[in-house]
Amino acid sequence: ELKVEQNPLFLSMQEGKNYTIYCNYSTTSDRLYWYRQDPGKSLESLFVLLSNGAVKQEGRLMASLDTKARLSTLHITAAVHDLSATYFCAVDTSVNQFYFGTGTSLTVIP
Amino acid sequence: DTAVSQTPKYLVTQMGNDKSIKCEQNLGHDTMYWYKQDSKKFLKIMFSYNNKELIINETVPNRFSPKSPDKAHLNLHINSLELGDSAVYFCASSKIETQYFGPGTRLLVL
Repeated sequence: ELKVEQNPLFLSMQEGKNYTIYCNYSTTSDRLYWYRQDPGKSLESLFVLLSNGAVKQEGRLMASLDTKARLSTLHITAAVHDLSATYFCAVDTSVNQFYFGTGTSLTVIP
Repeated sequence: DTAVSQTPKYLVTQMGNDKSIKCEQNLGHDTMYWYKQDSKKFLKIMFSYNNKELIINETVPNRFSPKSPDKAHLNLHINSLELGDSAVYFCASSKIETQYFGPGTRLLVL
């Protein structure tokens, strides 16, 4: 079974600081997804990365994909409290099977 | 307009009972999914269903069965509920890449 690992699992960061969340996966895949989940809520799609070298940015979040290294990163720039949530990466196989990472619980403190 | 809806939102039941969770999507998507999120927020895919092709995660007990009366619905039926089935169950749908998740059903087995 495909394994998807994220680190760190928990992240507490101060407002205004930068940080990166890492997502490693164990088998070949060209598609990588990032989701956000607020406490008690559903998952919201943030980014879809479809090829090696893909980079996408939305506000203070930027995601990238290196398929050769089987690594994706989610970079947070100048964190604000509203970014506090759990972030998941996910990889899919060619048969509509999505495998999610362990999640990174982010808390942004003033 | 709700894209992916689930009912009920909360479900509390006794061990050994049989229950169903309903899911409907109004996005015209071809593929629907069921996920289980445990108390540690770990997300695992249970089923994907595309044009009557069912792909089952082999780790899912056969007490769980998806039923799709039509393309817009994928219901989850659970027989002989066990304590370990307590979790949040999410339905999702997708057309090409991005998945849209329902609000989740919180199941508690007593």
